[in-house]
Order: sequence, then C-alpha cells, then structure tokens
Amino acid sequence: EAGVVQSPRYKIIEKKQPVAFWCNPISGHNTLYWYLQNLGQGPELLIRYENEEAVDDSQLPKDRFSAERLKGVDSTLKIQPAELGDSAVYLCASSSGLADRDTQYFGPGTRLTVL
Amino acid sequence: GENVEQHPSTLSVQEGDSAVIKCTYSDSASNYFPWYKQELGKRPQLIIDIRSNVGEKKDQRIAVTLNKTAKHFSLHITETQPEDSAVYFCAASVGSARQLTFGSGTQLTVLP
Repeated sequence: EAGVVQSPRYKIIEKKQPVAFWCNPISGHNTLYWYLQNLGQGPELLIRYENEEAVDDSQLPKDRFSAERLKGVDSTLKIQPAELGDSAVYLCASSSGLADRDTQYFGPGTRLTVL
Repeated sequence: GENVEQHPSTLSVQEGDSAVIKCTYSDSASNYFPWYKQELGKRPQLIIDIRSNVGEKKDQRIAVTLNKTAKHFSLHITETQPEDSAVYFCAASVGSARQLTFGSGTQLTVLP
C-alpha cells in the first residue's frame, strides 16, 4: 500500500512570492490533514478535511494561506505571499475515519525555506 | 482545547538500558493516545497507540501505559538500541484520531 505522497520535498523561495504544496493521501482515506511543524516542535494542525469539506480550519491564517481538496482526494495548500516566518516543514496526513481503528499516517513533508 | 505536555525534552541512555517518556493531557474526554517516532528529516511514524478502554499496551520492546485518573500516559522502551535514537512525540485526541494535539517532543539518544 502506498503511503501519503507529498511534493515537492523541498522549496526555497523569496519572501512575498507564492508557493504551493501538494498531497495525495492513502487510497480510501476520507480525512486529510495539513500540519505545520517548526524545528524542534510537534506538528500543529492547520486544516482538516472530511472528503472535500474543510471541517476544522480554525488555525489556518486565512489572510495568506488557502487550501483545497476539490474532489475529496488530493489536496493543495497555498501561501501567498510567503513571509520569513513561514519557513517550516508542512506535513500532510490522512486517516480512514474507521471508529476504534482510526490512525493518522503522515507524508514525508515539504521543507519550505523563505529567504 | 486540549493541552499536552511532554517530558523530558531530551533523554540520553546507554544502549541496553530502558527509556521512559511521560506526557500529561488536560481534557478528561481524551480517549486516544498515539506515539510517533520521527527520525531526522523523515516523516513521523506511528509506533504504538492506546485507547482509553485499556491501561497498558505492549509491542515487543515498546509499551505504553495510561492513567486516566491522573491524565497521564507514558512510553517505555526496553533494551534500547542505537536505531531507537529519534524524536518521539506523544499526542491526545477526543473521540478518534481526528483531533490530535501533539506534545513538544523528546529527543532520545541511545549511546553505544
């Protein structure tokens, strides 16, 4: 079974430029998550999708961040414009939603460096 | 919302010794507690999890214990090996795995 796929793995941009990250979850997983992970810290949830619906986006900085999961499968997270403080690893995760067996599986992440 | 505290932030042990990492949580409704291992530059990987209907779960050299009364849970690694060196994160969630709140991580170093 293929795991969660993310691309690109690394991205270096100058501040004020736009950037986009892509995630393809494990096949059949209805729930998709985007996390932000700063160096030396645990992942922090940005947004959670149930199929194509964003059900928890309370921690997403909506002035510059946006996300979409149009067909309920893969997802894109965008930052426009990027700021220096956005440098971090952006992790995508997915889970099946099966009661009592639900587990989040993470992708390898995209390491963003904003110069 | 949920708050998860994790201790210690760094832990060094000699190969073959045991390692224990502890986490406390604030929301008494939390009932799912996974542990993830993250090697440098790699994805977090689930190593063990426990749901609140059990107090202990073991998988070979790793075990997790849960004390719901005290709202804390711990990861135990026995017979540590150098490949156990990584950052370990605990997490807690209410209802299912959908609302994980992570601890700040523990850098475990196993000295040969």
